[in-house]
Amino acid sequence: KAGVTQTPRYLIKTRGQQVTLSCSPISGHRSVSWYQQTPGQGLQFLFEYFSETQRNKGNFPGRFSGRQFSNSRSEMNVSTLELGDSALYLCASSLVGGKAQHFGDGTRLSIL
Amino acid sequence: DQQVKQNSPSLSVQEGRISILNCDYTNSMFDYFLWYKKYPAEGPTFLISISSIKDKNEDGRFTVFLNKSAKHLSLHIVPSQPGDSAVYFCAASDGGTYKYIFGTGTRLKVLA
Repeated sequence: KAGVTQTPRYLIKTRGQQVTLSCSPISGHRSVSWYQQTPGQGLQFLFEYFSETQRNKGNFPGRFSGRQFSNSRSEMNVSTLELGDSALYLCASSLVGGKAQHFGDGTRLSIL
Repeated sequence: DQQVKQNSPSLSVQEGRISILNCDYTNSMFDYFLWYKKYPAEGPTFLISISSIKDKNEDGRFTVFLNKSAKHLSLHIVPSQPGDSAVYFCAASDGGTYKYIFGTGTRLKVLA
């Protein structure tokens, strides 16, 4: 069974640009969550989508947005990139009613 | 405000001995807790979880203990193996949502 797939694995951008990250969940999983991981901060919850609707949102500025498509694939967008946005962005999927989230290997975003 | 805290950034244990990783939380509404293991360049892998209606859950070499009055949970690994060397994250959620709050992680090193 294929796991959670995130693309691209690595990305380099400059300040002010915008970026879109993609996540394909495990087949049958309808919930997709996004996290930001920075050194010393652990994983910070960004948002969670279920059936194309955002159900939960973390404490991030409006520059961070996302969406989910009818096939449960999800994208995350960050606009007007700042140096502090450099991080590992992780996507996780779970079954309806399931508790354990399954993570992808992340997208490493570096802002120059 | 860090609602989930892992106060030990690192831990070293001899192979075959017990590893005990600790996690404290402040939000009494949390009712579901998970432990994840993370290797470098990979996403976190789900290990074990526990609901607030229980105080212990066991899965092979891994046991999680929950002390609700102290708002404390711990992960015991017995016996520890070199392959267990990784960063361990605890996470908590409330109300059956998929918004998980993660700790900052503890790096476990099992010495052969």
